[in-house]
Amino acid sequence: GAVVSQHPSRVICKSGTSVKIECRSLDFQATTMFWYRQFPKQSLMLMATSNEGSKATYEQGVEKDKFLINHASLTLSTLTVTSAHPEDSSFYICSANPHRRPNEQYFGPGTRLTVT
Amino acid sequence: RKEVEQDPGPFNVPEGATVAFNCTYSNSASQSFFWYRQDCRKEPKLLMSVYSSGNEDGRFTAQLNRASQYISLLIRDSKLSDSATYLCVVNPPTGRRALTFGSGTRLQVQP
Repeated sequence: GAVVSQHPSRVICKSGTSVKIECRSLDFQATTMFWYRQFPKQSLMLMATSNEGSKATYEQGVEKDKFLINHASLTLSTLTVTSAHPEDSSFYICSANPHRRPNEQYFGPGTRLTVT
Repeated sequence: RKEVEQDPGPFNVPEGATVAFNCTYSNSASQSFFWYRQDCRKEPKLLMSVYSSGNEDGRFTAQLNRASQYISLLIRDSKLSDSATYLCVVNPPTGRRALTFGSGTRLQVQP
């Protein structure tokens, strides 16, 4: 089956620091990856669509300069939360569409970010 | 109006009960529909796709009514391990293939 990994699974950082989260498709190539955010007791909200080799597409209300996305290869996308603040504390989940099976989507295990 | 709406629950049912979840979606041009299951502090996992003709997978039955823009999930003979949040998910017709999630319905199966 298709496997997506995320690293780190959990991170605690101080306010003002930057945090990088990696999303990897382990056994398939993904031209498109998605980044979601989920606050407690709320639904997953799409933050941005990451396309390999091009700029990410951000959803309305998501600051592209704060949430930097890089999709440098067909198996890796990174999300960097810059100058993190406590309100950025959330569960960040990536997902990926296999290049050859674009109607399927596989989720990473998520990264729990806590900003103190 | 939210793109995908669900009753948040929680639904507290005894083991062996039958429970049904409902969901409505706002975009009539939506193309594909799913039920995902999410355990506490975990990523969502695909439970089943939903087809217009209705489909069944063991104790789980999903139905889609395109005219009413309504999706349902029926769980028969509930098990303790069914306790989770069930997410109604829609793939909108935007071509970007990002999924739109409902807020989820929490199910607690009790012994």
